[in-house]
Amino acid sequence: GNSVTQMEGPVTLSEEAFLTINCTYTATGYPSLFWYVQYPGEGLQLLLKATKADDKGSNKGFEATYRKETTSFHLEKGSVQVSDSAVYFCALSTYNTDKLIFGTGTRLQVFP
Amino acid sequence: DADVTQTPRNRITKTGKRIMLECSQTKGHDRMYWYRQDPGLGLRLIYYSFDVKDINKGEISDGYSVSRQAQAKFSLSLESAIPNQTALYFCATSDLQPGAHNEQFFGPGTRLTVL
Repeated sequence: GNSVTQMEGPVTLSEEAFLTINCTYTATGYPSLFWYVQYPGEGLQLLLKATKADDKGSNKGFEATYRKETTSFHLEKGSVQVSDSAVYFCALSTYNTDKLIFGTGTRLQVFP
Repeated sequence: DADVTQTPRNRITKTGKRIMLECSQTKGHDRMYWYRQDPGLGLRLIYYSFDVKDINKGEISDGYSVSRQAQAKFSLSLESAIPNQTALYFCATSDLQPGAHNEQFFGPGTRLTVL
């Protein structure tokens, strides 16, 4: 079946550090891949997405590349800010399921 | 104004009570979803609906029921609440159109506590 695996958190970084949050997936067919972010007390917001292999999604300084050969979609940011502190969810959907499959989420804490 | 709204935002209730959580959307999307979020478990799908006449169970539908009153409204009910239904509940919508890739748009959540 389809599934998403994320690295466990929390990830704790100092401001301006480099961020990587790992995400790997298992899917039948050709999934679309997403990163959602949940700020404290809020719902989930789409951060970025990629819909086919080798696509790079980017937004707010975050990037993730759809790697079919390694079934991965790792989230990266070159210089994190305190305001990036949130929970990040990797997710996939496939054309024949019409549903999103979420990872368990990774909490990021950035300190000044 | 928010595109996806949920009411109430917080609710405390007692075991055995009937509870209804409501979701409304102004995005014009056909598809609506109810999720539950528990610490360390991510989001789990309770029910989903692709139009007013279509209701489907998700992975954890036991103890819950839903009603799609209109394209814009999708309610989640707990007929007899129990403490392990204490969680954060999210409603979401998505577009049926090709190319939407099932990107979903979430409401702000309802925090439910069952004592």
